Amino acid sequence: KAGVTQTPRYLIKTRGQQVTLSCSPISGHRSVSWYQQTPGQGLQFLFEYFSETQRNKGNFPGRFSGRQFSNSRSEMNVSTLELGDSALYLCASMQGGDTQYFGPGTRLTVL
Amino acid sequence: KQEVTQIPAALSVPEGENLVLNCSFTDSAIYNLQWFRQDPGKGLTSLLLIQSSQREQTSGRLNASLDKSSGRSTLYIAASQPGDSATYLCAARLSGYSTLTFGKGTMLLVSP
Repeated sequence: KAGVTQTPRYLIKTRGQQVTLSCSPISGHRSVSWYQQTPGQGLQFLFEYFSETQRNKGNFPGRFSGRQFSNSRSEMNVSTLELGDSALYLCASMQGGDTQYFGPGTRLTVL
Repeated sequence: KQEVTQIPAALSVPEGENLVLNCSFTDSAIYNLQWFRQDPGKGLTSLLLIQSSQREQTSGRLNASLDKSSGRSTLYIAASQPGDSATYLCAARLSGYSTLTFGKGTMLLVSP
């Protein structure tokens, strides 16, 4: 099976812009989670989608949003970008409550 | 709220040494615990998953143990190699529907 894929792999944006990141889970996996990783804060949970519904949500401002499509692919959107949003954004998929598999990440740089 | 701590934050060892990485969690009612490896700038690679009913899991030179009563898990790496150099993260899940809570990782450097 193909692994979790994320596009794009790298992004450079300026403050105030918005960005959309995409994640395709492993075939058959209905749960998709998003994480933000920064050197200072480590890995922080953003949200999880299961069967097109947000099942869990982390402690991030409303500028961060996501959605999941019927084929389980997921997107996350960040509006009004801030310098502090520069990070590695990781997506992970899971079947049941079992092993979580991560994609390679999208490196977002906000200038 | 589940909190996960990993000690030490960094570890440097010579090739061939056996080593232990530690992970502690505050809520012992975990559903499972997962160990990951992350190479610089890359995504996470799952190494081992231990269910709450299990005491340990093994994969090759890696052995992970789980002691729920003391809130601890250890990752044992036998005969370390330079290719083992990476950051190792542990993450705990409280239920099948909850999220993973991650520690901040242990950065391992294995010198030839």
